[in-house]
Amino acid sequence: NVLTQSPGTLSLSPGERATLSCRASHSVFSNFLAWYQHRPGQSPRLLIQGASSRATGIPDRFSGGGSGTHFTLTISTLEPEDSALYYCQQYGSSPNTFGQGTKLEIK
Amino acid sequence: QVQLQESGPGLVKPSQTLSLTCTVSGDSISSGDYYWNWIRRPPGKGLEWIGYVHFSGKTYYNPSLQGRALFSFDTSKNQFSLRLNPVSAADTAVYYCARGPDCSAGNCYDPFFDSWGQGTLVTVSS
Repeated sequence: NVLTQSPGTLSLSPGERATLSCRASHSVFSNFLAWYQHRPGQSPRLLIQGASSRATGIPDRFSGGGSGTHFTLTISTLEPEDSALYYCQQYGSSPNTFGQGTKLEIK
Repeated sequence: QVQLQESGPGLVKPSQTLSLTCTVSGDSISSGDYYWNWIRRPPGKGLEWIGYVHFSGKTYYNPSLQGRALFSFDTSKNQFSLRLNPVSAADTAVYYCARGPDCSAGNCYDPFFDSWGQGTLVTVSS
């Protein structure tokens, strides 16, 4: 199941809202879709699993939505530390696959 | 809080064996609650899941590796390992180890990853 993320790069200012898209080539079984944040020099961090459930310790300004073949990650109020690569992953079929990533830049 | 740390040579010659170890702290790999995974990211490309090993001995290898990967674990050291043989330049990547929940509870079909190591760069070059 091929995942395509858009846009490739997003440049926004602190306080703005970011919406990242992840489209699957086939419907994702049971909406088993996760989002990860990867800051330079750090380990990737799980943000969302099951398309919309925040992982432990993730602030509520991160929210996931969508179903089937189209999913979104929304960051409601951007902070400077949100600058990172964001990946989606489907785990509803094997082998699980990742999108190519969206780079979020905070101006 | 679980922590994972990859270790191994940063340079491997073509046709030889890539060997990496992941040391886990804050959790026991023999608890049976999790799958222990390897993931890689080649330069300029996206993430690729290599596969997992479970304490029960169950393993899964991504078919894209064409049978070249082998997982093992050492419970006395709380470590799990990856061997990839033979390697080529296409195997140059940052390699990550990661923990994923056991899917028998119905919360996944394949693993997702709730904790990751920082990654280690392996370059395949003569």
